[in-house]
Amino acid sequence: DIVMTQSPDSLAVSLGERATINCKSSQSVLYSSNNKNYLAWYQQKPGQPPKLLIYWASTRESGVPDRFSGSGSGTDFTLTISSLQAEDVAVYYCQQYYSTSYSFGQGTKLEIK
Amino acid sequence: EVQLVESGGGLVQPGGSLRLSCAASGFTVSSNYMSWVRQAPGKGLEWVSVIYSGGSTYYADSVKGRFTISRDNSKNTLYLQMNSLRAEDTAVYYCARGGSEAEYFQHWGQGTLVTVSS
Repeated sequence: DIVMTQSPDSLAVSLGERATINCKSSQSVLYSSNNKNYLAWYQQKPGQPPKLLIYWASTRESGVPDRFSGSGSGTDFTLTISSLQAEDVAVYYCQQYYSTSYSFGQGTKLEIK
Repeated sequence: EVQLVESGGGLVQPGGSLRLSCAASGFTVSSNYMSWVRQAPGKGLEWVSVIYSGGSTYYADSVKGRFTISRDNSKNTLYLQMNSLRAEDTAVYYCARGGSEAEYFQHWGQGTLVTVSS
């Protein structure tokens, strides 16, 4: 099974500053036949279900603000929030859908400094 | 508008059974990847099971042989039959619809809480 590891576990960033969350997979999630990375990012606020932010590692879901961006390939990925807003306080998860035993990272809690 | 509404959660004793339902609207369950994802209290997300449009089903090792995913096309509803429940199955269970291209989770229900305790 593919193990997803996020870093850091928690992060405090000042309003308007950049936040960066990393995700590493135990094996590549890049499918060579279509050159796509089977990696998604989610945001979960307290008491709410997760919300899809990014899929194919860098494709922003419709309606997601452009301050959210995803990058990386193979085994190393990054979610970047370019200018942190108060409403971005949440837990963020990466997820691989390369193998049917889908797996999530442990989550990164993002707070305001 | 896509909507997913879970029901069927509750308190059950260890070894007991429960069936969760996920009523869908705004799309056809049988034409999409549909999954169950759970979240233990204060913990992260854990994928549980998926059913593909063609009917193939897959399970996490932690529930294999105990849980069964199914759907009723006439009711446009997804189910999760949970047997031989354990304390570690205590969680909020979400149903989720996959994306149009692959099995990322594009739409989520609000979840239903399952508590396994004596």
